[in-house]
Amino acid sequence: AAGVIQSPRHLIKEKRETATLKCYPIPRHDTVYWYQQGPGQDPQFLISFYEKMQSDKGSIPDRFSAQQFSDYHSELNMSSLELGDSALYFCASAETGQGSNYNTFGSGTRLTVV
Amino acid sequence: AQTVTQSQPEMSVQEAETVTLSCTYDTSENNYYLFWYKQPPSRQMILVIRQEAYKQQNATENRFSVNFQKAAKSFSLKISDSQLGDTAMYFCAFMKPIAGGTSYGKLTFGQGTILTVHP
Repeated sequence: AAGVIQSPRHLIKEKRETATLKCYPIPRHDTVYWYQQGPGQDPQFLISFYEKMQSDKGSIPDRFSAQQFSDYHSELNMSSLELGDSALYFCASAETGQGSNYNTFGSGTRLTVV
Repeated sequence: AQTVTQSQPEMSVQEAETVTLSCTYDTSENNYYLFWYKQPPSRQMILVIRQEAYKQQNATENRFSVNFQKAAKSFSLKISDSQLGDTAMYFCAFMKPIAGGTSYGKLTFGQGTILTVHP
């Protein structure tokens, strides 16, 4: 079965640089969520999209932005990177109204800021 | 806002034995979902089991079962016949449906419990 695809798997950036993380949801899934998991911490919700519109917003810094495109893939853009942005970034997808399809996670993108 | 608390930072169990991980949550909602996720060293987030708050019957998935106490806002996970592959971080998570209950919202996670299964 198709899963949530995230790219890249690993990313190393320098401070003040920009990074773009991509997420390809499971086919027919119309909702995408982004989470940030710092070292030794639980995942924290950043932002979500439903049918290409922002549906909810969590503790996402103003330096970050995200969008969902017409093919339902989503991108998380991170600018002016700081050392504290080093984390594992998860994307998850879900299909509205389907009881068995909820928050299926991708494998994550590990971002290291040096 | 919802909060999820896992009071056991670490647990250990011998292979083939049973272990219970605790989770409590705080919410004013009546309709919601609860989950247990497993995160092995690979860091992949894997769904273990879920419970709908409107269902009184406790969910079970093979060796995994939950004890859902809605009034007490408690949601514990029991792992029977523990296996070495069960070694992982376990997260309890809460989700409130949105859009009239047809759409799933964000997950709020607990702090996690590191479970080690010893041979």
